[in-house]
Amino acid sequence: GQNIDQPTEMTATEGAIVQINCTYQTSGFNGLFWYQQHAGEAPTFLSYNVLDGLEEKGRFSSFLSRSKGYSYLLLKELQMKDSASYLCAVSDSNYQLIWGAGTKLIIKP
Amino acid sequence: EADIYQTPRYLVIGTGKKITLECSQTMGHDKMYWYQQDPGMELHLIHYSYGVNSTEKGDLSSESTVSRIRTEHFPLTLESARPSHTSQYLCASSESGRDTGELFFGEGSRLTVL
Repeated sequence: GQNIDQPTEMTATEGAIVQINCTYQTSGFNGLFWYQQHAGEAPTFLSYNVLDGLEEKGRFSSFLSRSKGYSYLLLKELQMKDSASYLCAVSDSNYQLIWGAGTKLIIKP
Repeated sequence: EADIYQTPRYLVIGTGKKITLECSQTMGHDKMYWYQQDPGMELHLIHYSYGVNSTEKGDLSSESTVSRIRTEHFPLTLESARPSHTSQYLCASSESGRDTGELFFGEGSRLTVL
């Protein structure tokens, strides 16, 4: 079967750095997405990786290793507004998205 | 900014009622999707469409139906609601011509069936 694994919950301090991991096993791979979802709101797109390596976008970076079936989202200079769930999703061989259950990130002052 | 709208945002209804959740987008996207999401759980694809008159069922078994008569409109209908249908329903769209594109989501319809 296909599955995406990410931690259920993480806690970090304002101003710090946090890394959210995602491992996947899917039938085929056509890219990996990270989305942010605030409580009660819709997901919004953060990043897309299809090749190995690090993609940086402001305070957020996303890394992919296809051989290891692994990705992480790195958030720097954490702000209170970063408190949200972070969803990892993989596009499989049929270009359908397989979603993880999300990692709830709690930021403390 | 994404231009995709869902109505109603919140709905509480009794068992056995027929409901339609509306979804419209003004971006000209051919691809549209309906997801179901329970709190703290992953998104489950229930229906999708790659264009007018195209509809497919997703991975999650659903008693709902969809239609795609116009590009911008992708309504989801439950003929007879049950308490097990209580959930959040998210509509999304993505650009045409790209195999895997960024999804733009509506704000969701939270359904409670009593």
